[in-house]
Amino acid sequence: DTGVSQDPRHKITKRGQNVTFRCDPISEHNRLYWYRQTLGQGPEFLTYFQNEAQLEKSRLLSDRFSAERPKGSFSTLEIQRTEQGDSAMYLCASSLDRLAGPYEQYFGPGTRLTVT
Amino acid sequence: AQTVTQSQPEMSVQEAETVTLSCTYDTSENNYYLFWYKQPPSRQMILVIRQEAYKQQNATENRFSVNFQKAAKSFSLKISDSQLGDTAMYFCAFMRYSGAGSYQLTFGKGTKLSVIP
Repeated sequence: DTGVSQDPRHKITKRGQNVTFRCDPISEHNRLYWYRQTLGQGPEFLTYFQNEAQLEKSRLLSDRFSAERPKGSFSTLEIQRTEQGDSAMYLCASSLDRLAGPYEQYFGPGTRLTVT
Repeated sequence: AQTVTQSQPEMSVQEAETVTLSCTYDTSENNYYLFWYKQPPSRQMILVIRQEAYKQQNATENRFSVNFQKAAKSFSLKISDSQLGDTAMYFCAFMRYSGAGSYQLTFGKGTKLSVIP
């Protein structure tokens, strides 16, 4: 069990550019979540996958954001035409359905995005 | 919508002493889970302790314990025998089951805990 990994760890981009982040969940975990954390705040939910299906999206996820999880394995989060307000830490988490509920989420180290 | 409030932005405690972090939440749900997560500086978030709302008994994990008051919607974390490695941001989080099957977490703003040698 190598834990949840995210790549890159840091990304600096100019306003208007597109960026893509990758998340590799714990191998047997069927649920995958994306959160965004801005400075001084707790993480906020963005979107959720169960296997390859994207089942829920937050209102925070504007049309410039898109997420995929092909084949129910790794996931990508793309931001098009980045804005300075997109600067944040993007966290990925995964969990496994259990009889008692899929409640324990394991977090990755995050990707810190800076838009200049 | 659920809200989670952590009223203490920063706290400090002497090494080996006990500290309590406060958390209140607002929900109309009856079945839910509550969590405390720890986020050390520049490191990833890890689960400290969890509490199922249907359980009256307070959860404990080694030096960490909670005081869960369902009627008051309060969920505080007590850290006993504080250690330098406990220095971190601590987030209280609420989880409900949404209609789409998501067990998304709603976090508070966090409490920055510093353990002083």
